[in-house]
Amino acid sequence: ETGVTQTPRHLVMGMTNKKSLKCEQHLGHNAMYWYKQSAKKPLELMFVYNFKEQTENNSVPSRFSPECPNSSHLFLHLHTLQPEDSALYLCASSQVLASGSDEQFFGPGTRLTVL
Amino acid sequence: GQNIDQPTEMTATEGAIVQINCTYQTSGFNGLFWYQQHAGEAPTFLSYNVLDGLEEKGRFSSFLSRSKGYSYLLLKELQMKDSASYLCAVRDGDYKLSFGAGTTVTVRA
Repeated sequence: ETGVTQTPRHLVMGMTNKKSLKCEQHLGHNAMYWYKQSAKKPLELMFVYNFKEQTENNSVPSRFSPECPNSSHLFLHLHTLQPEDSALYLCASSQVLASGSDEQFFGPGTRLTVL
Repeated sequence: GQNIDQPTEMTATEGAIVQINCTYQTSGFNGLFWYQQHAGEAPTFLSYNVLDGLEEKGRFSSFLSRSKGYSYLLLKELQMKDSASYLCAVRDGDYKLSFGAGTTVTVRA
């Protein structure tokens, strides 16, 4: 595997389900990100992990719970979601340097539909 | 908050040139990125500007004017495969990116 991978690619869930999205980066980067992409809207940054420490939580509802067990893996745990949470969820990684971060590399995303 | 504006859609003919403008008003500035995103795929990095001026990379060029809060992405010799969404993103700290809503470019034969 190369780059950034995400599983599953598609997910349909009911509002009472619990599911998890997985992201893995094979680039040796030290920062990982979760974004939400809804139609015709800008990419919304949800969470940032820098050296496995969460450094950003952009007022995301508690029904989204991130987990970063190591610098290569990132999870997004989902529970009691709402239909408006249906979107493409993108994972990204980058190398954070003293001068700032290099470009972010994105995974293919998980298309989530909440019924 | 961050405000990043770019046109919603643009259409051009194969072989032509298209310029996608991006204006921004952000609390800080530490570089501007352009990404390309084909439908159903991940965004992929195209260019990066942190100093004023033009950066050229093959058929794609990106320009930045920090004093004007303005950038553009220039696509030359358009090909059908260039039909995609182009995202402008501003980095306002060490690593956080704020994105525009994207410009959908349609290339016609």
